[in-house]
Amino acid sequence: GQNIDQPTEMTATEGAIVQINCTYQTSGFNGLFWYQQHAGEAPTFLSYNVLDGLEEKGRFSSFLSRSKGYSYLLLKELQMKDSASYLCAVRERNDYKLSFGAGTTVTVRA
Amino acid sequence: EAGVAQSPRYKIIEKRQSVAFWCNPISGHATLYWYQQILGQGPKLLIQFQNNGVVDDSQLPKDRFSAERLKGVDSTLKIQPAKLEDSAVYLCASSPLAGVSDEQFFGPGTRLTVL
Repeated sequence: GQNIDQPTEMTATEGAIVQINCTYQTSGFNGLFWYQQHAGEAPTFLSYNVLDGLEEKGRFSSFLSRSKGYSYLLLKELQMKDSASYLCAVRERNDYKLSFGAGTTVTVRA
Repeated sequence: EAGVAQSPRYKIIEKRQSVAFWCNPISGHATLYWYQQILGQGPKLLIQFQNNGVVDDSQLPKDRFSAERLKGVDSTLKIQPAKLEDSAVYLCASSPLAGVSDEQFFGPGTRLTVL
């Protein structure tokens, strides 16, 4: 089984930084993904971590600590278009199946 | 490169009726997934195909849901009969069979409302 927790909502100001935390308890671990989902649209891939440490991709960075069962997604220089739901997903085994958290809705205000 | 295609985009039915959704994955992608996403929740995997074989259907309510992927390309998901709690967005996703870091590519989804 799996238990993936992330905050329900976060609000930040345009140009600021927001950190979305994700904790997980799974029977196995074979990678953690972050997806972005705008309202009414399909999720789109943001990042993948399988080893401990920070992965940086432009304004977005993702961090993983396997020993702590913890990841975060860091969004820098927030823009209005970053208002969306951010989904944390864990792959437990080597069969490509993902288990998703409920998502964190980020609202960016001017 | 064309993305994952799904139809219809929206469907409204009454409880106890039947409904079917169609998905065409990205060309060459061996793995296809159907997810159910209830409002305010993350996607929940219903079934996973690899080519035309089922890899995982442990969370598929088999008394009312069925899915097939003939010829290892297109897939259909059927609900018969529908219940009120089936109201959700049904997402189809695909990924190539190349490595564990492969991301899943999602289609636009079908929003089902059961009245």
